[in-house]
Amino acid sequence: SQQGEEDPQALSIQEGENATMNCSYKTSINNLQWYRQNSGRGLVHLILIRSNEREKHSGRLRVTLDTSKKSSSLLITASRAADTASYFCATDSAEAGGTSYGKLTFGQGTILTVHP
Amino acid sequence: DADVTQTPRNRITKTGKRIMLECSQTKGHDRMYWYRQDPGLGLRLIYYSFDVKDINKGEISDGYSVSRQAQAKFSLSLESAIPNQTALYFCATSVLGLGTGELFFGEGSRLTVL
Repeated sequence: SQQGEEDPQALSIQEGENATMNCSYKTSINNLQWYRQNSGRGLVHLILIRSNEREKHSGRLRVTLDTSKKSSSLLITASRAADTASYFCATDSAEAGGTSYGKLTFGQGTILTVHP
Repeated sequence: DADVTQTPRNRITKTGKRIMLECSQTKGHDRMYWYRQDPGLGLRLIYYSFDVKDINKGEISDGYSVSRQAQAKFSLSLESAIPNQTALYFCATSVLGLGTGELFFGEGSRLTVL
């Protein structure tokens, strides 16, 4: 089964609006990461949030993490047509001692379409 | 030039053929991974290697094998390809460090098995 599951599966918005994507996971994690994939291309890392962090910002991106609910959200503010892509969350699961396994488990992704 | 290079980028083959997908990297990372992506799905881990002498099975290793020829090279083989191995395959690298684990991806190898 998927460790990370994104919601919604698809999101269509107008340029300038904010886009929010959610991710839920099942096991304890060391960190959670968000990636972007343009159609048919390789994934590109956007942002990483550690298990002891609750919120992180990078430019127009804001990520939150709630480990009690095993969930994360990615907010893209003031979206642009160039933000059109698929967005994936990925979890780095932790061993019992909190050490990273060093391999990521990806969700199914959210397809974001931003209309000019 | 790309830091993580995959060859071939596209390949069409027939059922039963042996296929090798190659990955090379210039990032100097110890860790390398092979993932598979199917339409509408996320990425699933096939194999990963944390150094030249280390090979580990991932979530979906059946029907695949790998070889870590050098720190910079990690190849994926399908000994006898079957149609449900039609997918987009990604190689990725990462470096071990506190609070890291970011993956760097190649551009993908699209494999079609007829």
